[in-house]
Amino acid sequence: KAGVTQTPRYLIKTRGQQVTLSCSPISGHRSVSWYQQTPGQGLQFLFEYFSETQRNKGNFPGRFSGRQFSNSRSEMNVSTLELGDSALYLCASSLYGQNYNEQFFGPGTRLTVL
Amino acid sequence: GESVGLHLPTLSVQEGDNSIINCAYSNSASDYFIWYKQESGKGPQFIIDIRSNMDKRQGQRVTVLLNKTVKHLSLQIAATQPGDSAVYFCAEAYGSSNTGKLIFGQGTTLQVKP
Repeated sequence: KAGVTQTPRYLIKTRGQQVTLSCSPISGHRSVSWYQQTPGQGLQFLFEYFSETQRNKGNFPGRFSGRQFSNSRSEMNVSTLELGDSALYLCASSLYGQNYNEQFFGPGTRLTVL
Repeated sequence: GESVGLHLPTLSVQEGDNSIINCAYSNSASDYFIWYKQESGKGPQFIIDIRSNMDKRQGQRVTVLLNKTVKHLSLQIAATQPGDSAVYFCAEAYGSSNTGKLIFGQGTTLQVKP
């Protein structure tokens, strides 16, 4: 079974631009969660999608948004990029997103904002 | 807000020795805890988990201990190998049973000396 895939792996943008990141979960998994990883803040939860609905949201500004498609693939969008948005963005999938469901992480997308 | 923290940022051990990585959590209502390993350039990889109705769980060369009285979690790695060198994160499942949200600690870097 293929693992979680994320595209692109690396991205360089400038301040004020917007970016869209993509995540394909493991086949059969219906829950996709997104995390931001930075050296200063560590791994922080962004949001979770299940059956095309956002089920949970972290403490990030409205510039961060996401969506999930009927095939469970998910995208996240960051608008009006700021320097502080430079980070590794990780996506994780699980069967149902419930407690005790193992979450499998992708390799991440490294976003650099100049 | 709630947070999960690790006591030491870096742990250096000799190959073949046992390693102990500690974690303190603050949400007494959390009932599921996970340890992840993250190697350079990769996403976090599941190591072992434990539910709050247990105080110990063993895997292959790894043991997780949970002390709910002092809200402390530890990961023990037996006969540490160079391939164990990575950053280790503890995480707690937050909220209801239907959630994919994880709260991560800051991470401990494990360095294994040959």
